[in-house]
Amino acid sequence: DSGVTQTPKHLITATGQRVTLRCSPRSGDLSVYWYQQSLDQGLQFLIQYYNGEERAKGNILERFSAQQFPDLHSELNLSSLELGDSALYFCASSVENQVFDGYTFGSGTRLTVV
Amino acid sequence: ILNVEQSPQSLHVQEGDSTNFTCSFPSSNFYALHWYRWETAKSPEALFVMTLNGDEKKKGRISATLNTKEGYSYLYIKGSQPEDSATYLCAFWDNFNKFYFGSGTKLNVKP
Repeated sequence: DSGVTQTPKHLITATGQRVTLRCSPRSGDLSVYWYQQSLDQGLQFLIQYYNGEERAKGNILERFSAQQFPDLHSELNLSSLELGDSALYFCASSVENQVFDGYTFGSGTRLTVV
Repeated sequence: ILNVEQSPQSLHVQEGDSTNFTCSFPSSNFYALHWYRWETAKSPEALFVMTLNGDEKKKGRISATLNTKEGYSYLYIKGSQPEDSATYLCAFWDNFNKFYFGSGTKLNVKP
């Protein structure tokens, strides 16, 4: 157990629907990062939050949004889902200086859009 | 978007073989490089964080070197074991606070 908890582990939903993925960071970590891994793609950075505020944005679609709550857990909201959104979504957390410490990843949420 | 390339894409070796693979990244604006080990059905696990040109890091049978001037890092596994089978990811961190993963090298070690 890495200490980063993601729920649910699996999610199957229909096109056009909206889902929420949840991530609880490792104890003491203030930063949360969301990554998407599609079929045959590497990990794509979506967005980072640090202590409740958006810190960096990557290749995140406008249909996707995220937030980090006062208790530091984060949610990734995916709306108007398309078949191409089927992917493995990872959350990672780090202490502030993640460049020198690296990330701790959760086990991921596998989203299947049918 | 920067290009972080890993080669080969996949590698099949016999137990006991030593192996190495490459991560190439832009040589300008380098800040740090991470190596991750990603086993199937698990989450990526940090192996090394490298920041200085000429850095060499070692963890058991796995070691890594870094050349920031020419933009590459090598990961070496000595005496591969079946439990080393995984995808090895590198990730490049630039001076603009951006972080990019390579697509990984998938290693399969046959007993």
